[in-house]
Amino acid sequence: AQTVTQSQPEMSVQEAETVTLSCTYDTSESNYYLFWYKQPPSRQMILVIRQEAYKQQNATENRFSVNFQKAAKSFSLKISDSQLGDTAMYFCSGGYGGATNKLIFGTGTLLAVQP
Amino acid sequence: DTEVTQTPKHLVMGMTNKKSLKCEQHMGHRAMYWYKQKAKKPPELMFVYSYEKLSINESVPSRFSPECPNSSLLNLHLHALQPEDSALYLCASSQGTGGEAFFGQGTRLTVV
Repeated sequence: AQTVTQSQPEMSVQEAETVTLSCTYDTSESNYYLFWYKQPPSRQMILVIRQEAYKQQNATENRFSVNFQKAAKSFSLKISDSQLGDTAMYFCSGGYGGATNKLIFGTGTLLAVQP
Repeated sequence: DTEVTQTPKHLVMGMTNKKSLKCEQHMGHRAMYWYKQKAKKPPELMFVYSYEKLSINESVPSRFSPECPNSSLLNLHLHALQPEDSALYLCASSQGTGGEAFFGQGTRLTVV
């Protein structure tokens, strides 16, 4: 069975500061993908960043980057220069099952960016 | 077009009603999903269609009946629901292996 665990239910950060959200996962599959999604109050789930498990290089997308530690099964998200619009629920997710691409979500971290 | 469109956005239904949720995508994605999300909880997978065939049913009660009429459309037929079925229902699609899922804005369902 695949699992995704987020141990930080809530976090707060000052505008323009940096924050790191933690995520660990467990899977016996060799081919999988990891994602961070954000869900603002508007409730639309939006992809933040994507990491292929077979790639050692950490993914980066503008102010968002990940620290992917495959041996430790860790996949943390770093948000630099936090903005008020980053306030949202952040879900770590694992994609498994080949073409079916079954997504499993962690419990989420509610991030509040303070002015 | 990178949108997944869900209708309606809000739905209130009685426990004896029959209603349907609709989802549409035009990205050529071959995998489509229904998720159920309770407040402050992560989405829970209900069904996965792959190439228009039901490939995953996560032990969902039969009062929820999915349908995939073609590669762009996904329906969720609702019948005899219970108040605890009230939730946000999210539709998503992906190109399959390794592809990220694109989500619709969801249907907020209230069962009275």
